[in-house]
Amino acid sequence: RKEVEQDPGPFNVPEGATVAFNCTYSNSASQSFFWYRQDCRKEPKLLMSVYSSGNEDGRFTAQLNRASQYISLLIRDSKLSDSATYLCVVSFTGGGNKLTFGTGTQLKVEL
Amino acid sequence: GAGVSQSPRYKVAKRGQDVALRCDPISGHVSLFWYQQALGQGPEFLTYFQNEAQLDKSGLPSDRFFAERPEGSVSTLKIQRTQQEDSAVYLCASSSRDSWDEQFFGPGTRLTVL
Repeated sequence: RKEVEQDPGPFNVPEGATVAFNCTYSNSASQSFFWYRQDCRKEPKLLMSVYSSGNEDGRFTAQLNRASQYISLLIRDSKLSDSATYLCVVSFTGGGNKLTFGTGTQLKVEL
Repeated sequence: GAGVSQSPRYKVAKRGQDVALRCDPISGHVSLFWYQQALGQGPEFLTYFQNEAQLDKSGLPSDRFFAERPEGSVSTLKIQRTQQEDSAVYLCASSSRDSWDEQFFGPGTRLTVL
């Protein structure tokens, strides 16, 4: 079983739709949680950190459920420019600060 | 300011050749990481440096893989006797002491082993 699991998609949605991605992690010692965005043939870039209280950045909302070891990302009013792969990422206590990535969920926003 | 840079951006090697991949982190960043990303997968951790010290090399897949950062700045990832399964994108990331969890990634080196 992979340490971080995501539905690979692709998710094909119309512009303006709301889309949700889910992720589960297996290491209960996981300490920090992130969503990264990766465009085709580009490097990953930090989209947002994820906090236990939930956090929002514009159209993006991230939530963490430590008891269920579950992380989510909600994108509202999706734009064509949101098309990318979204990577769920964790780091854990005792792991230094190396990041463990999921396989990524591909999003395609269409007209 | 300048981000993380990597060279070469593309490398084609014949099976059995040795390759060296270079990473220039963001100036002043203490931590440097190497990741390997196979097609359709997320990046996987290879090794981590804090300054010149290699603190974690648990992700290196075999003893053919070697990384160094002798002066605590530029890092080189060397792969000896390349195999086809080494074909991947090799990503370098750096982070500062103050925001040690946020890692900034370079554009990667795409290695193809024929």
